[in-house]
Amino acid sequence: GQQVMQIPQYQHVQEGEDFTTYCNSSTTLSNIQWYKQRPGGHPVFLIQLVKSGEVKKQKRLTFQFGEAKKNSSLHITATQTTDVGTYFCAQDSWGKLQFGAGTQVVVTP
Amino acid sequence: GAGVSQSPSNKVTEKGKDVELRCDPISGHTALYWYRQSLGQGLEFLIYFQGNSAPDKSGLPSDRFSAERTGGSVSTLTIQRTQQEDSAVYLCASSLGEIEAFFGQGTRLTVV
Repeated sequence: GQQVMQIPQYQHVQEGEDFTTYCNSSTTLSNIQWYKQRPGGHPVFLIQLVKSGEVKKQKRLTFQFGEAKKNSSLHITATQTTDVGTYFCAQDSWGKLQFGAGTQVVVTP
Repeated sequence: GAGVSQSPSNKVTEKGKDVELRCDPISGHTALYWYRQSLGQGLEFLIYFQGNSAPDKSGLPSDRFSAERTGGSVSTLTIQRTQQEDSAVYLCASSLGEIEAFFGQGTRLTVV
């Protein structure tokens, strides 16, 4: 089935720097969800985007849904060690959630 | 309970044995998902239940894997004749459908 592609697979970031991770689809998405999984933990829901061009912010995290609803991005500013983990986007296809491969983020103090 | 509960948290089994993994979703959640996650890998979709509809079994890797959901609540994932490649963390999640999914802590399965 169709899947969302995430890039990069790995992201090494210096503490205090910004970075962006991307989620791309070849088809139009009804909505996109983002999850964070800390090392040794389980995925935790961050946000859902539904509208074309939608932008939502959570403190240092900015989520964006593309105008064509085929891509999404997560931008983190002033990275902290607490941002370590794997960030997944997930496409919702009639309630069935399919996850991208994730971006594993490592933060160097 | 307040969240999704999975049991056991850890399971070590011998190759060739059958195992059952249990998931108690959040009360009232109509959707229930099973995923498999190998070390350092992503979430592999296994099966999806939504209300009384027929489950979407498209992610089950072989006929050794099966799952059921009784009374629209508790779900059991059964793996027959386990193989070493079945070793992974099995995650269950539930939701009200098309909104956020809540995950359990997972069952770490080790086949020796």
